[in-house]
Amino acid sequence: SQQGEEDPQALSIQEGENATMNCSYKTSINNLQWYRQNSGRGLVHLILIRSNEREKHSGRLRVTLDTSKKSSSLLITASRAADTASYFCATDQKRLSGGGADGLTFGKGTHLIIQP
Amino acid sequence: DTEVTQTPKHLVMGMTNKKSLKCEQHMGHRAMYWYKQKAKKPPELMFVYSYEKLSINESVPSRFSPECPNSSLLNLHLHALQPEDSALYLCASSQALFGFGKNIQYFGAGTRLSVL
Repeated sequence: SQQGEEDPQALSIQEGENATMNCSYKTSINNLQWYRQNSGRGLVHLILIRSNEREKHSGRLRVTLDTSKKSSSLLITASRAADTASYFCATDQKRLSGGGADGLTFGKGTHLIIQP
Repeated sequence: DTEVTQTPKHLVMGMTNKKSLKCEQHMGHRAMYWYKQKAKKPPELMFVYSYEKLSINESVPSRFSPECPNSSLLNLHLHALQPEDSALYLCASSQALFGFGKNIQYFGAGTRLSVL
């Protein structure tokens, strides 16, 4: 089942502008992560925010988390052509008790295109 | 070394063939994962191995058979696949036990499988 739902599904902006993507999820979470995928290749972890955090920064990335609304946003500032990719939020679904390895459940993703 | 290596990169097989996908990591991770990704969709979890034991099977058809021969290797054996099984198959690894913040997964570039 799809845990996260990204919004928008596609976003095209000019280089240098900021890009904001949103994600909603349905169940309680330990943490929420954002991943990037370039053109059908492997995913790269960008940033993780814990359920007790509200905001986190990493370089040009800013993530917010609102557990009361079960939503998160990813902001990329001063976008570059190299940021063109698909962006997914991901949560672990607590399939197992005891904190063991758990697969991630991904949102539908936002395809971001940065126009030069 | 944060690399997860998947081979082959591309695979074309008939519905009566038997083939295997391979995944290798040398990060000392004791959790490994298989995901399936259809075009323009998010990855979907198939299997989780923790300490070389299968811990999660997301109701995957038996024509997909995972194997974890040692802590660095993960295989996915394929037999009697259907055309709808054509997809990008992604392998990932992570630390096996985690509290907050450790379920960061490292992905390989994937095997693009076409079933004719």
